[in-house]
Amino acid sequence: EDKVVQSPLSLVVHEGDTVTLNCSYEVTNFRSLLWYKQEKKAPTFLFMLTSSGIEKKSGRLSSILDKKELFSILNITATQTGDSAIYLCAVHAMAGGTSYGKLTFGQGTILTVHP
Amino acid sequence: DAGVIQSPRHEVTEMGQEVTLRCKPISGHNSLFWYRQTMMRGLELLIYFNNNVPIDDSGMPEDRFSAKMPNASFSTLKIQPSEPRDSAVYFCASSLRGTDYLYGYTFGSGTRLTVV
Repeated sequence: EDKVVQSPLSLVVHEGDTVTLNCSYEVTNFRSLLWYKQEKKAPTFLFMLTSSGIEKKSGRLSSILDKKELFSILNITATQTGDSAIYLCAVHAMAGGTSYGKLTFGQGTILTVHP
Repeated sequence: DAGVIQSPRHEVTEMGQEVTLRCKPISGHNSLFWYRQTMMRGLELLIYFNNNVPIDDSGMPEDRFSAKMPNASFSTLKIQPSEPRDSAVYFCASSLRGTDYLYGYTFGSGTRLTVV
């Protein structure tokens, strides 16, 4: 069974701090790893990572994948109160013996940024 | 594009009643997914369809849950009879399935179900 584990489960920081969120996975037929941000409603897409060692960056957020060690990190620098959300990691893997893939999500990290 | 549209946004029902959740995927997307989110278990995949055909329903909790996709623009998730432990936020997502990747994986706003 595919498994995605995120840590920490929750994190409280002050504005301006830098945070690192972790995601490890055990899946067969890996295709990609995705990060989502969930505020009050639906998760919204942040990054998709397919290759090891290549950093994806968007403003103060960045992410990198290590396919050998089976993990990814999401960094947020100079955090703001608007970064408060649940951050979800998901892995896209192909179901064994089929050409169909699906996303398996981790539990999420609840990030709270205080002013 | 209006995105993935789910209805209703909120549903409160009594134990034992039938509940039907609805989803309209993004036009042109060929894969549709139903997820359930709770604090305890996070986001769990219930079932997914490709080209209107159910591919994997191993996540459906039990026989009380059923899902249909009669055409490319509509899907339903039904719970009959509902129980308090079914209370959760139910998300529908759609994507365009390529050879190896799921492109444009987009979630709807969810239906918050409360069974009392």
